[in-house]
Amino acid sequence: DSGVTQTPKHLITATGQRVTLRCSPRSGDLSVYWYQQSLDQGLQFLIQYYNGEERAKGNILERFSAQQFPDLHSELNLSSLELGDSALYFCASSAGGLDGYTFGSGTRLTVV
Amino acid sequence: GQQLNQSPQSMFIQEGEDVSMNCTSSSIFNTWLWYKQDPGEGPVLLIALYKAGELTSNGRLTAQFGITRKDSFLNISASIPSDVGIYFCAGISYNTDKLIFGTGTRLQVFP
Repeated sequence: DSGVTQTPKHLITATGQRVTLRCSPRSGDLSVYWYQQSLDQGLQFLIQYYNGEERAKGNILERFSAQQFPDLHSELNLSSLELGDSALYFCASSAGGLDGYTFGSGTRLTVV
Repeated sequence: GQQLNQSPQSMFIQEGEDVSMNCTSSSIFNTWLWYKQDPGEGPVLLIALYKAGELTSNGRLTAQFGITRKDSFLNISASIPSDVGIYFCAGISYNTDKLIFGTGTRLQVFP
């Protein structure tokens, strides 16, 4: 157990729908990062939050949004889903600095 | 988005063989990290490197931070079946905590 909790583990939904992915960071970590990994692809950075505020944005679509709450958990909202949004979505957390990130086990999203 | 170039893209080796993979960048990094991703799981940190020229081992794994600070390599000695997975390098630039990931090396080990 990495200490980063992601729910749900699996999600199947139809095109056009909206889903919310949830992440609880490791205790004490203020930064939360969201990544998308499509089949056999690398990790694409979506967005970072630090202590409730957006800090950095990557290749995040306008249909996607995220937020970090006062208790530091984060949610990634995906709307108007398309087949191409099917992927593994990872959350990671860090305390900052140079020690890297700790990843959750991911949410596998399948859009049908 | 920005990514590091990692090679080889995939490797198919026999159990017991040694493995070497590397990562290169056009940018300088202050920290290099190596992660392993098992199928269906999140990446797990294997080794972290903080100084140019640093050579660090973790069991059968050895990684080096290149002198130019633009590259790193990972060696796995005497591979075993549980080494199967995707290996990612990642770099952190100066004055930021943002990780840039490599494109990954997929390793298959045959008994």
